Amino acid sequence: EDQVTQSPEALRLQEGESSSLNCSYTVSGLRGLFWYRQDPGKGPEFLFTLYSAGEEKEKERLKATLTKKESFLHITAPKPEDSATYLCAVRTQGGSEKLVFGKGTKLTVNP
Amino acid sequence: GAGVSQSPRYKVAKRGQDVALRCDPISGHVSLFWYQQALGQGPEFLTYFQNEAQLDKSGLPSDRFFAERPEGSVSTLKIQRTQQEDSAVYLCASSLGRRQTESYGYTFGSGTRLTVV
Repeated sequence: EDQVTQSPEALRLQEGESSSLNCSYTVSGLRGLFWYRQDPGKGPEFLFTLYSAGEEKEKERLKATLTKKESFLHITAPKPEDSATYLCAVRTQGGSEKLVFGKGTKLTVNP
Repeated sequence: GAGVSQSPRYKVAKRGQDVALRCDPISGHVSLFWYQQALGQGPEFLTYFQNEAQLDKSGLPSDRFFAERPEGSVSTLKIQRTQQEDSAVYLCASSLGRRQTESYGYTFGSGTRLTVV
């Protein structure tokens, strides 16, 4: 069974304090790993897709990386507006377009 | 519209009542998805449409759940004889198709929060 595990469940940072979120996955065949951001009361908002080990993508203070077993979302010098829940999801082989999500990491950045 | 629109935003149902949740995807989007998100959890897949065809309904938890997209645009998720365990946020998402999903992911709506009392 395809599984996605995110850690930590919650992370509290001071503004400017860089850190990383982890997403480990066990799948039958990876067809893409997705990172989303979700604000309270809103639907998830797409950030990145990664497809192969060694791939990296960046957007502002965020950088996502991928290995064969896990992905990291690095947050450099975060700001309070980066506070949100960050969700990781995988799409697997088999033809279905569905995503399997992890439970998310709730990030709080204090000013 | 500019985004995926879901209605109602909030729904309170008495146990045993039937409910219908509506999703208006972005105009022209071929793919449409329904997900269920319990409090403190990630979204869980329910079902997927490509135009009017329901290609995957493997995530529907029971035969009380039914989804349709008769004209390939608006979709309705219906839950019959609601139970307390159905309480969750129901998210709808859409995309232009597989290639757009690969590059840009889905666009999600803000969801319908269903509370069964």
